[in-house]
Amino acid sequence: GAVVSQHPSWVICKSGTSVKIECRSLDFQATTMFWYRQFPKQSLMLMATSNEGSKATYEQGVEKDKFLINHASLTLSTLTVTSAHPEDSSFYICSARKTGTRQETQYFGPGTRLLVL
Amino acid sequence: LAKTTQPISMDSYEGQEVNITCSHNNIATNDYITWYQQFPSQGPRFIIQGYKTKVTNEVASLFIPADRKSSTLSLPRVSLSDTAVYYCLVGDTGGRRALTFGSGTRLQVQP
Repeated sequence: GAVVSQHPSWVICKSGTSVKIECRSLDFQATTMFWYRQFPKQSLMLMATSNEGSKATYEQGVEKDKFLINHASLTLSTLTVTSAHPEDSSFYICSARKTGTRQETQYFGPGTRLLVL
Repeated sequence: LAKTTQPISMDSYEGQEVNITCSHNNIATNDYITWYQQFPSQGPRFIIQGYKTKVTNEVASLFIPADRKSSTLSLPRVSLSDTAVYYCLVGDTGGRRALTFGSGTRLQVQP
């Protein structure tokens, strides 16, 4: 199988606080993970690419100092939303690229619902 | 990355076969075609992936013509639980870039 987990599944926080979201590939190693954000009734928007052992690559318009990404191992990437504000409320989804086969496939986590009050 | 075009929405009834077509006119030689299913408040679920001709698994079939400028996801005998958004993505999965999501097709299955 190819299972990706996220923790927490939902979080409510006060404005100005920081929130950390974990993304784990449970049964495979992933040198590359991706973070997406999805607003209601919209499609997924790529935020950044997380590479194990190196700095993340952020998409245009995504503040790297606000959305801190760490990919410290081949099975774990974390996204920290710093000084969260209500407009950061969204559904955050990670994915991990499963390597080792001829065509690499992205597998997605279940998502994390963030509500900033 | 090749841009994809899908119908915004489709309606069907239980037991029918549903075919969702995706256009990707600018697909590159190294690109694969991948389809995902997403339910509300859940992450996308991998359905099927292919490069050319026909691919079949336990849940769906994927038809890709010789020019690869389009693909069709076929869901046999849909049920109410197949109501979801279906995304067609095209990309060089052998590379390091993420898959880019289009608007997807919202499939509504009626009883």
